[in-house]
Amino acid sequence: NAGVTQTPKFQVLKTGQSMTLQCAQDMNHEYMSWYRQDPGMGLRLIHYSVGAGITDQGEVPNGYNVSRSTTEDFPLRLLSAAPSQTSVYFCASTLTSGGVETQYFGPGTRLLVL
Amino acid sequence: GQQVMQIPQYQHVQEGEDFTTYCNSSTTLSNIQWYKQRPGGHPVFLIQLVKSGEVKKQKRLTFQFGEAKKNSSLHITATQTTDVGTYFCAVLTQGGSEKLVFGKGTKLTVNP
Repeated sequence: NAGVTQTPKFQVLKTGQSMTLQCAQDMNHEYMSWYRQDPGMGLRLIHYSVGAGITDQGEVPNGYNVSRSTTEDFPLRLLSAAPSQTSVYFCASTLTSGGVETQYFGPGTRLLVL
Repeated sequence: GQQVMQIPQYQHVQEGEDFTTYCNSSTTLSNIQWYKQRPGGHPVFLIQLVKSGEVKKQKRLTFQFGEAKKNSSLHITATQTTDVGTYFCAVLTQGGSEKLVFGKGTKLTVNP
């Protein structure tokens, strides 16, 4: 299994540009989520999905859209990039087994918005 | 919303010294998870605690869940340079909404 993959690894955008961060998992996990990580802020939940066709907002959803057309893929779209969206973005999928919910994180996408 | 306070924010130790990070909540938690993130890496799941007073060990790491299920700790005995990284606790929000809320983490540096 490749686990959770994210593309691109790095991206530089200009203010106002749009882009999609890709996330895919091959573990057949129903639950997937997107986080952003900023220095001193920990990880903050942007959006999450409990299964194909179902998405919901997290703590910091403004400026981001998601969709979940398949179990495997959970792309994150930045509609009009702003410097405040400069961050490291992590996608995660969750395995629930024996009452334990284990989140598997992707390697991250480092985004700089100028 | 659900919040969890993690202290200290930073900890610098000499190799061989012990290290502890604490996670505190004002409300009773259903469970708590701990993650480790190496510099430049992604968070990696370490453990989940569910029961009141639960203690679990992974080699030199000891995880504890408070009796009131409002706090938790991660203790590392005799730190090594491989322990360097940021340790996060994370809790599920109330109401079964499936949202995981992370503490801000404790960044551990180890002087060889």
